[in-house]
Amino acid sequence: DAGVTQSPTHLIKTRGQQVTLRCSPKSGHDTVSWYQQALGQGPQFIFQYYEEEERQRGNFPDRFSGHQFPNYSSELNVNALLLGDSALYLCASSRLAGYQETQYFGPGTRLLVL
Amino acid sequence: TQLLEQSPQFLSIQEGENLTVYCNSSSVFSSLQWYRQEPGEGPVLLVTVVTGGEVKKLKRLTFQFGDARKDSSLHITAAQPGDTGLYLCAGEGNQFYFGTGTSLTVIP
Repeated sequence: DAGVTQSPTHLIKTRGQQVTLRCSPKSGHDTVSWYQQALGQGPQFIFQYYEEEERQRGNFPDRFSGHQFPNYSSELNVNALLLGDSALYLCASSRLAGYQETQYFGPGTRLLVL
Repeated sequence: TQLLEQSPQFLSIQEGENLTVYCNSSSVFSSLQWYRQEPGEGPVLLVTVVTGGEVKKLKRLTFQFGDARKDSSLHITAAQPGDTGLYLCAGEGNQFYFGTGTSLTVIP
């Protein structure tokens, strides 16, 4: 049973460019959350998708957008990249079950903005 | 704004020593999770605590959820080099709020 997979593993972009990161959830999971983890810090919640809709959103600007597909996979898009967007982007999948959601994380995509 | 503060931020100890990591908040959470993250990888869930005062043991690791469900601690007995990593707590509210992390190094 494959766990959460993310692609690409590493990415280098320049300021102003746009980037798309991809995530495939663990088998049987229907909910995908995205996090940004700056170096030396804990992950910060960006948003969560369930049934192809954004269910919750953290304190991130509209430059950060996402999408969930019918097969539950998800994309994170970031427009007009800034140097401060350099970070590890983590995807976590879960099965929505009441108020307790056990999340399983992928290995992340490390984004460097020059 | 970090809802969860972890202490210490960095910890370097000798193999065999004991240690405790703290996770504190002024907010109440419906559950709290502890993760360990190694370089280049995503966080791996260690435990979920749900009930105030709950204590869970995972081999040499002991986790406790505060009575008021605002804080938690992780105690490691007889630390081993394999315990090295970044330990993260995460509280569940309307989203998951991660702590600032504790970087543990266990020296052989």
